[in-house]
Amino acid sequence: KAGVTQTPRYLIKTRGQQVTLSCSPISGHRSVSWYQQTPGQGLQFLFEYFSETQRNKGNFPGRFSGRQFSNSRSEMNVSTLELGDLALYLCASSKDSMNTEAFFGQGTRLTVV
Amino acid sequence: AQKVTQAQTEISVVEKEDVTLDCVYETRDTTYYLFWYKQPPSGELVFLIRRNSFDEQNEISGRYSWNFQKSTSSFNFTITASQVVDSAVYFCALSEASGNTPLVFGKGTRLSVIA
Repeated sequence: KAGVTQTPRYLIKTRGQQVTLSCSPISGHRSVSWYQQTPGQGLQFLFEYFSETQRNKGNFPGRFSGRQFSNSRSEMNVSTLELGDLALYLCASSKDSMNTEAFFGQGTRLTVV
Repeated sequence: AQKVTQAQTEISVVEKEDVTLDCVYETRDTTYYLFWYKQPPSGELVFLIRRNSFDEQNEISGRYSWNFQKSTSSFNFTITASQVVDSAVYFCALSEASGNTPLVFGKGTRLSVIA
């Protein structure tokens, strides 16, 4: 079966711009969670969506937001980009809860200049 | 608070050597899950194993084995007869079992297997 698909794979944006990243989970999986990976902070949890509702949220500013559609696809948005937002953004797909087997996509590598 | 420590930042081994990646965790919960993921250069995190805190049996899957010891709060990962394709960053993670909680990751161990 198809894995988790994240688009785009690479993005270059300018400070102050906004960006939208997309994640298509494994078919039948309803939980989509997002993580930010940076060299300094490692992997940090952003938020999780289940049945179109944000069910859990990490400790990130309001510039980071997301949503989930009825087909379980999810998008995350970062507004007013800062240089510190440079990271690999990873999406994880699970059947129902985040602490079951979570399968990750290849990530979107965001560069902010 | 939950915490995962992977003290080994980088390890280099020669092909066919055995290598053990250490993982020490902290949690106040009595029920939790432990995970290992592999991150190759392509970026995705590849799921390797998920362990329930009540199950302390060691597990073996091919060349991979895991040693879970509650007494020392450790969940170590051993690769037997390492291969070049094992080169990657390996992450240990922890999650509470009660409710829907995110994974807390260690900083990762970069493994380089040299031919």
